[in-house]
Amino acid sequence: DGGITQSPKYLFRKEGQNVTLSCEQNLNHDAMYWYRQDPGQGLRLIYYSQIVNDFQKGDIAEGYSVSREKKESFPLTVTSAQKNPTAFYLCASSIEGGASNQPQHFGDGTRLSIL
Amino acid sequence: AQTVTQSQPEMSVQEAETVTLSCTYDTSESDYYLFWYKQPPSRQMILVIRQEAYKQQNATENRFSVNFQKAAKSFSLKISDSQLGDAAMYFCAYMEYGNKLVFGAGTILRVKS
Repeated sequence: DGGITQSPKYLFRKEGQNVTLSCEQNLNHDAMYWYRQDPGQGLRLIYYSQIVNDFQKGDIAEGYSVSREKKESFPLTVTSAQKNPTAFYLCASSIEGGASNQPQHFGDGTRLSIL
Repeated sequence: AQTVTQSQPEMSVQEAETVTLSCTYDTSESDYYLFWYKQPPSRQMILVIRQEAYKQQNATENRFSVNFQKAAKSFSLKISDSQLGDAAMYFCAYMEYGNKLVFGAGTILRVKS
């Protein structure tokens, strides 16, 4: 079955530590996205990538980094510069980026907590 | 920047009855897309329905339909014949250029049996 796989489901970070959240899709989608969800709030865009080897900052990119070396993979690193990383992180993909207005499909998410 | 407002933090509906969730948005664009996503307790985001702004006809998907009022920038979701499985958080979202989604804060829907 095609879909988006996020791992791990739960992740714990120590102070001063970088952690990487994995997102893999086998839908052959060009565009991929990372969102952060806090309690009582909607999803906020962290980073997005419309094509391999290219990505742009979203609304809350500070303290995060990404790479897009392969079409199917878009890992998110939460760096020690992110002072409030505890949240639920969702990865999404769509057939195309740009002006295609295609719906986004989401993974099951990763919950990140501070130890 | 575009904003999306969901003014109802929580709503309740009796099983088999109809409920309407509200959503308003702010944009200066004339062509755009609007979405409703459902997030059950499993936290997975599930696309419920999509509306294209240049289409005057309201979108429908089985028991789900929208009331799209472009001039008023309103995009409400109507759920008919509510079922227990409809209980979830519902997010309204606006898609801006670049395929980026802007989400509202969500409405928790509770379904009573």
